[in-house]
Amino acid sequence: ETGVTQTPRHLVMGMTNKKSLKCEQHLGHNAMYWYKQSAKKPLELMFVYSLEERVENNSVPSRFSPECPNSSHLFLHLHTLQPEDSALYLCASSQETQRGAKNIQYFGAGTRLSVL
Amino acid sequence: DAKTTQPNSMESNEEEPVHLPCNHSTISGTDYIHWYRQLPSQGPEYVIHGLTSNVNNRMASLAIAEDRKSSTLILHRATLRDAAVYYCILRNSGAGSYQLTFGKGTKLSVIP
Repeated sequence: ETGVTQTPRHLVMGMTNKKSLKCEQHLGHNAMYWYKQSAKKPLELMFVYSLEERVENNSVPSRFSPECPNSSHLFLHLHTLQPEDSALYLCASSQETQRGAKNIQYFGAGTRLSVL
Repeated sequence: DAKTTQPNSMESNEEEPVHLPCNHSTISGTDYIHWYRQLPSQGPEYVIHGLTSNVNNRMASLAIAEDRKSSTLILHRATLRDAAVYYCILRNSGAGSYQLTFGKGTKLSVIP
């Protein structure tokens, strides 16, 4: 148990569906992240929220829409996805300080998404 | 971001030490060396990190070369539970540097 909980663990959706992924952290951290892990590819950072403000958006298509209502919760809203968006979506959190390089990220177990 | 190079895969016998190498010849003076691992069907898990000196914790040891251009993660007694992909990552110490750039890592297999 890492203190970062993701739901659901598995999701199957059609290309016209709208769904949301949820992440909750119980660690009191001030930064949260979404990563994408496709088959046989390295993890890719998608979004970063620090103090509930989005600070990084790594050229992610608009069909992915993040939301961070408070420091403990992070959502990824999905709509009109493509089959190539099928992947493992991972959430992470960290306590960011000025000495950023020491800060450790704690990951959830991920949501395995299949787009049909 | 400075890049790291790791072998694609390694094997170890159970209960023997494992040395996982990482090359980072373009490391800058403000880059920390982080190691994470990812067990099957799980998210990555922090293992250890260091700057210049060797580091030990309950999971592993990190040996850093004097010129910092390479490092080695040491698992003192491999168990079946240590079978995972191990990632060596450089993280810049600048404020607001959130990025953890994952490569392909080293897939460690542990043989009973």
